[in-house]
Amino acid sequence: NAGVMQNPRHLVRRRGQEARLRCSPMKGHSHVYWYRQLPEEGLKFMVYLQKENIIDESGMPKERFSAEFPKEGPSILRIQQVVRGDSAAYFCASSLQTGRAEAFFGQGTRLTVV
Amino acid sequence: AQSVTQLGSHVSVSEGALVLLRCNYSSSVPPYLFWYVQYPNQGLQLLLKYTSAATLVKGINGFEAEFKKSETSFHLTKPSAHMSDAAEYFCAVSFAGGTSYGKLTFGQGTILTVHP
Repeated sequence: NAGVMQNPRHLVRRRGQEARLRCSPMKGHSHVYWYRQLPEEGLKFMVYLQKENIIDESGMPKERFSAEFPKEGPSILRIQQVVRGDSAAYFCASSLQTGRAEAFFGQGTRLTVV
Repeated sequence: AQSVTQLGSHVSVSEGALVLLRCNYSSSVPPYLFWYVQYPNQGLQLLLKYTSAATLVKGINGFEAEFKKSETSFHLTKPSAHMSDAAEYFCAVSFAGGTSYGKLTFGQGTILTVHP
């Protein structure tokens, strides 16, 4: 049973470009969470999705960031018009159910904006 | 609102010594508590979790943690440190229900260094 798969592992974008980060949850998991780890900061929650639904996006920046988890395919975190401050590690986690079940994390995507 | 405070951003121990990483939480409802470990350039691996069963929780790699409601603490311990324990450790809290659902609130992390 493969773990949470994130790709790419490393992504370099120039300022103003778009970044697309992909996350395939563990088999059977329908809950996906995205977190961001900025240098010198802890892990911060961004968004919680279930299939075709955004449940909680309270941690998402108001502009340029969006997330989806379609019925088929991976969850996508999309950052438009990237800026240097978006450089961070982005982690995806999935769980079998909300609350009691632990979340399993992917290896992360390290985004560098140049 | 829930929050997590990890006391000490860096902890250094000698190989074979006791490891104690401190975590205090704040939550208006009974929490679920977790400890994760992160090795350099890797994702997070779950060490152990507390979900309202036994207050003393045993995890992988010889780690354990005790939930103390009166002290709002969930400190992580290991009797004897190994060089391979050197990593960053994160305490996290969540609870099912309300508007927070299953999302995790993390502490700032504690970097554990193990000296030979």
